[in-house]
Amino acid sequence: DTGVSQNPRHKITKRGQNVTFRCDPISEHNRLYWYRQTLGQGPEFLTYFQNEAQLEKSRLLSDRFSAERPKGSFSTLEIQRTEQGDSAMYLCASSRGDSRALHFGNGTRLTVT
Amino acid sequence: AQSVSQHNHHVILSEAASLELGCNYSYGGTVNLFWYVQYPGQHLQLLLKYFSGDPLVKGIKGFEAEFIKSKFSFNLRKPSVQWSDTAEYFCAVNAVDSNYQLIWGAGTKLIIKP
Repeated sequence: DTGVSQNPRHKITKRGQNVTFRCDPISEHNRLYWYRQTLGQGPEFLTYFQNEAQLEKSRLLSDRFSAERPKGSFSTLEIQRTEQGDSAMYLCASSRGDSRALHFGNGTRLTVT
Repeated sequence: AQSVSQHNHHVILSEAASLELGCNYSYGGTVNLFWYVQYPGQHLQLLLKYFSGDPLVKGIKGFEAEFIKSKFSFNLRKPSVQWSDTAEYFCAVNAVDSNYQLIWGAGTKLIIKP
């Protein structure tokens, strides 16, 4: 178990630029989740995949956000035309089978200037 | 809509003190309940979980939590804290008959004075 890996750890970008984050889940885990966390808050659900299928997407997720998991392994989260309000920690988690206990990565901290 | 409330945002205790962190949720159906911990500079880790059965669940590092269905509560306890328990603690809830989303509390920052 090498854990959930997220890259990059930190990303600073200017408003209006596009950014892409990557998540590598634990290898035998078929479910993958993206959450966002801002200071003083718990994580907020963004979306999740079962294998390569994106099964649910939060209403919080604007059209500027898109996530993919093309081969059911790693996933990418892209934010287009970033805004200052997108500044947050983006967390990826994975789980196996029907388990609802999640394994988290260290997150990608996005700062939009 | 489901929500999770953690009563204390910050708790400061001395070593060997007893700990209880409150968590209440709002949802009328069957739930799975979780406590996660985030040590400084580290990722979120599962501390303990309740799915069904004995409402008193034991987790890692001497932590336990009790599910009281009538009070919609899942409080976290530890009889004697250590300096290494300094961390942020999050309660999370998942509605069994819905999707795989976890709804999270805002977290409690626990500082243990040596």
